Amino acid sequence: AQSVTQLGSHVSVSEGALVLLRCNYSSSVPPYLFWYVQYPNQGLQLLLKYTTGATLVKGINGFEAEFKKSETSFHLTKPSAHMSDAAEYFCAVSAGDSNYQLIWGAGTKLIIKP
Amino acid sequence: DAGVIQSPRHEVTEMGQEVTLRCKPISGHNSLFWYRQTMMRGLELLIYFNNNVPIDDSGMPEDRFSAKMPNASFSTLKIQPSEPRDSAVYFCASSLETGASNTIYFGEGSWLTVV
Repeated sequence: AQSVTQLGSHVSVSEGALVLLRCNYSSSVPPYLFWYVQYPNQGLQLLLKYTTGATLVKGINGFEAEFKKSETSFHLTKPSAHMSDAAEYFCAVSAGDSNYQLIWGAGTKLIIKP
Repeated sequence: DAGVIQSPRHEVTEMGQEVTLRCKPISGHNSLFWYRQTMMRGLELLIYFNNNVPIDDSGMPEDRFSAKMPNASFSTLKIQPSEPRDSAVYFCASSLETGASNTIYFGEGSWLTVV
């Protein structure tokens, strides 16, 4: 069965520092992988997704993620954190033919220290 | 373009009362989702509609919960009677297509507190 593990429910970084949010998945088929972001008191919005092709995926707001099949990982990075990046980040993996079958990670809350 | 619109944004109700949450998906989207988010259980899919037809309601907690989609531009999630454990954020979301790679667009949520 497919599953998603996000390491660390909270990650704290200083403004200007590298952001690294970890996501590992298990899937019996080539997966589609997603990162969504939830800003305080808002709904989730797509940050980036991997479907096919290039394994390094660029998203909005300077974020990117790399699909590593051998490590079953899809970690999210940003070279330099901004205060506006403070939010909760969710990794998700497809578990079937339809997007309603997404498996969601538990989320990682990103805290930015001034 | 307008996103997914939900109402009410916030609701506080007493245990035993009926609660109705409303959703207008993005125009042209044929898939609609209702999710529930809590600290303890995270993000849970409650029900999924495709072309106004409920396809998967296995996430609906119990008979107190019901959802309808009478047309392509409107859906409701009803809780009757409500209980304190129903307190959560309820998200409606929609997508253009049903394929596994398709982006899901979320509304801003309805924050429900049952006292």
